[in-house]
Amino acid sequence: GAVVSQHPSWVICKSGTSVKIECRSLDFQATTMFWYRQFPKQSLMLMATSNEGSKATYEQGVEKDKFLINHASLTLSTLTVTSAHPEDSSFYICSAPQGPYGYTFGSGTRLTVV
Amino acid sequence: QKEVEQDPGPLSVPEGAIVSLNCTYSNSAFQYFMWYRQYSRKGPELLMYTYSSGNKEDGRFTAQVDKSSKYISLFIRDSQPSDSATYLCAMSESNSGYALNFGKGTSLLVTP
Repeated sequence: GAVVSQHPSWVICKSGTSVKIECRSLDFQATTMFWYRQFPKQSLMLMATSNEGSKATYEQGVEKDKFLINHASLTLSTLTVTSAHPEDSSFYICSAPQGPYGYTFGSGTRLTVV
Repeated sequence: QKEVEQDPGPLSVPEGAIVSLNCTYSNSAFQYFMWYRQYSRKGPELLMYTYSSGNKEDGRFTAQVDKSSKYISLFIRDSQPSDSATYLCAMSESNSGYALNFGKGTSLLVTP
């Protein structure tokens, strides 16, 4: 079945540094990738939608200069958290529309900013 | 008002019990309804997928959708300790191209 590989699964970084999260579609072409963020005991909240070859669409309240999304190929979408701060610590998950049931999720990245 | 409401629990039941989880929603355009299971620090895993109103059964799991009431349910029969996880409802207007709208998730603990 369709698989989205997400890396890293967890990362700890210092405040002020940048972190890149990758999502690769392994056996299909993902023209669209959804990026979600999940805080503890909270729902998955859509951050942005990336489309291959075009600019990402960000949800209201999400800083596009802080959360850089690149979807340069049909199999790779990346989310870079720039100048990370402790409040950016969260669980980030990507999802691609694919398959008979609509969506395939990555395994998630737990980001801790210290 | 959030588009999807789900009681976060936690819900604790003994092994073998029937579990009932539910969500309500406000957007009448939603047509695709899903239930995901999420273990701690993992990505969501699809359990059930339903289009429009009706019931769907898969093993110990039954999903119900009542669009007239904007209410969906997931029933787990003969619950097992391995069912302990967070259960997320999700819904969408389309089965592709649209991001999912998630509930907050209900934390379930099945005790031996």
